[in-house]
Amino acid sequence: GESVGLHLPTLSVQEGDNSIINCAYSNSASDYFIWYKQESGKGPQFIIDIRSNMDKRQGQRVTVLLNKTVKHLSLQIAATQPGDSAVYFCAETGANNLFFGTGTRLTVIP
Amino acid sequence: KAGVTQTPRYLIKTRGQQVTLSCSPISGHRSVSWYQQTPGQGLQFLFEYFSETQRNKGNFPGRFSGRQFSNSRSEMNVSTLELGDSALYLCASSRRLETEAFFGQGTRLTVV
Repeated sequence: GESVGLHLPTLSVQEGDNSIINCAYSNSASDYFIWYKQESGKGPQFIIDIRSNMDKRQGQRVTVLLNKTVKHLSLQIAATQPGDSAVYFCAETGANNLFFGTGTRLTVIP
Repeated sequence: KAGVTQTPRYLIKTRGQQVTLSCSPISGHRSVSWYQQTPGQGLQFLFEYFSETQRNKGNFPGRFSGRQFSNSRSEMNVSTLELGDSALYLCASSRRLETEAFFGQGTRLTVV
């Protein structure tokens, strides 16, 4: 079945540095991917999405890269700030489901 | 525009009881999905409803059920609660599943 996984469960970065969070997916038929941010005590919050006909999409301070050849997704956060500390999930759609990875905890060191 | 509203926020139940959780989606959103979140397990898909019809169901026992009303509000029911059902239950709504989904704050269920 489909699976979405994350390479690293935790990531610590210095404030001001760039962060890269990676995600691998296994369903090559997935055509829509989303990154979510979840802060403690809150539900996941949409960050950015990308469709399979694109390989890059940029938002405000965030960029998502999609490599369909190796089924890899990444989220880049520029100039990481303390408020970026959270758990980040990637998700893919397939067969009327949203499949989520287990998440990466990003900690920003002041 | 109001976000996704889940009630109650917190719930404590004993083993063997049943529980009903409620989710009010964003106005105009017809797809409502439910997820269970536990430490280390991430978000596990429970089921998805669209226009009062369950379109898909995750790999959970039959004790977990749901429904959606004509106004798109959805309820989730868990019968014969077990300790392992303790989790954060999240609801997400979207115009349709293949578009951006917005999550509620979740209902924290504790089974004792």
